[in-house]
Amino acid sequence: EAGVAQSPRYKIIEKRQSVAFWCNPISGHATLYWYQQILGQGPKLLIQFQNNGVVDDSQLPKDRFSAERLKGVDSTLKIQPAKLEDSAVYLCASSSIRWGGHYEQYFGPGTRLTVT
Amino acid sequence: QQQVKQSPQSLIVQKGGISIINCAYENTAFDYFPWYQQFPGKGPALLIAIRPDVSEKKEGRFTISFNKSAKQFSLHIMDSQPGDSATYFCAASRDPSGFYFGTGTSLTVIP
Repeated sequence: EAGVAQSPRYKIIEKRQSVAFWCNPISGHATLYWYQQILGQGPKLLIQFQNNGVVDDSQLPKDRFSAERLKGVDSTLKIQPAKLEDSAVYLCASSSIRWGGHYEQYFGPGTRLTVT
Repeated sequence: QQQVKQSPQSLIVQKGGISIINCAYENTAFDYFPWYQQFPGKGPALLIAIRPDVSEKKEGRFTISFNKSAKQFSLHIMDSQPGDSATYFCAASRDPSGFYFGTGTSLTVIP
């Protein structure tokens, strides 16, 4: 079974520029998550999709961050414009919710963003 | 506001020893408590998880102890090995959404 794919793996941009990240979840997984992991901290949930609908985006800075999951499969996360504090690893995860609510999430390798 | 508080920040254990990491939460709506292991340059990987109707769960050398009244849970790694050296995160989740991670514990197992 192929894992969660993310690209690019690394990205360096200047502040005020735009950037986009791509995620391809495990086949058949209905739920997709985007997390921000700042160095030395735990992942912070930015947005959760169930199929192509948003379940939770309460911690997404909507003035600069946007995400979409067209057709309920792949997803993109965009930052426009980027700030220095956006430097972090952006993790994508997917899960298949089974009966009983087992939320086993499978994480991708992440995209390391550096904003200069 | 930190939904899940984790301690210690770092831990050094001798090979063969027991590693213990603790977490505490406030929101009683949480119904799923997983632990993740993360190696440098990799995404977190699920290690073991528990639901609040169970006080303990064991899988191999890894055990979760859960105290619902105290709103605390802990990870015990028995017979710790150098290969266990990684960062460990606890997390808490509620149905249908909301997933909160602790701040992480960097574990080093000395041969």
